[in-house]
Amino acid sequence: NAGVTQTPKFQVLKTGQSMTLQCAQDMNHNSMYWYRQDPGMGLRLIYYSASEGTTDKGEVPNGYNVSRLNKREFSLRLESAAPSQTSVYFCASLRQSNYGYTFGSGTRLTVV
Amino acid sequence: KNEVEQSPQNLTAQEGEFITINCSYSVGISALHWLQQHPGGGIVSLFMLSSGKKKHGRLIATINIQEKHSSLHITASHPRDSAVYICAVMEADSNYQLIWGAGTKLIIKP
Repeated sequence: NAGVTQTPKFQVLKTGQSMTLQCAQDMNHNSMYWYRQDPGMGLRLIYYSASEGTTDKGEVPNGYNVSRLNKREFSLRLESAAPSQTSVYFCASLRQSNYGYTFGSGTRLTVV
Repeated sequence: KNEVEQSPQNLTAQEGEFITINCSYSVGISALHWLQQHPGGGIVSLFMLSSGKKKHGRLIATINIQEKHSSLHITASHPRDSAVYICAVMEADSNYQLIWGAGTKLIIKP
């Protein structure tokens, strides 16, 4: 009963490097989300995917791209990391039938 | 103006006290979530409400749709309840997106 699995849990990048954050859910949920959480702030939506094959921008999409590879997987890519992208990233999935959200354990990313 | 307002922002109480955290919102909603986040930890969904009241152990959540207000109560509080509690609403017809409150940081002292 894994729920939402995020990898990696921790990552340090140099400015300009690229990386992909992976997210997978095994609950057959249609909708998946990527959030970032900065100190003292609430979660902000980066991108979401309402269903397989669709993706949409959230509140803070600049500097990120996403791929909904299949129903299970929703990845977040940083093409050229910047210190402003230092944050904790959370992936979540939603059961549309009862609006139930499940969150991954988070990825703590530091860009130096 | 924030669409989801939580109060208080910070709350410190003694073990055993009854705790109330409030959430007011200004939009029409499909559902309201209460979530918990421990320091450095992940986010756990506590309740999802669309009406009425729910109870799980020492936690009780209520919602008044007409008044656009929800409360989270903790009875017989314990130091392990120390966490940030977040209210988030799913705006009606929003493609299931959440609008987040800023969170309430709760510290329970032994």
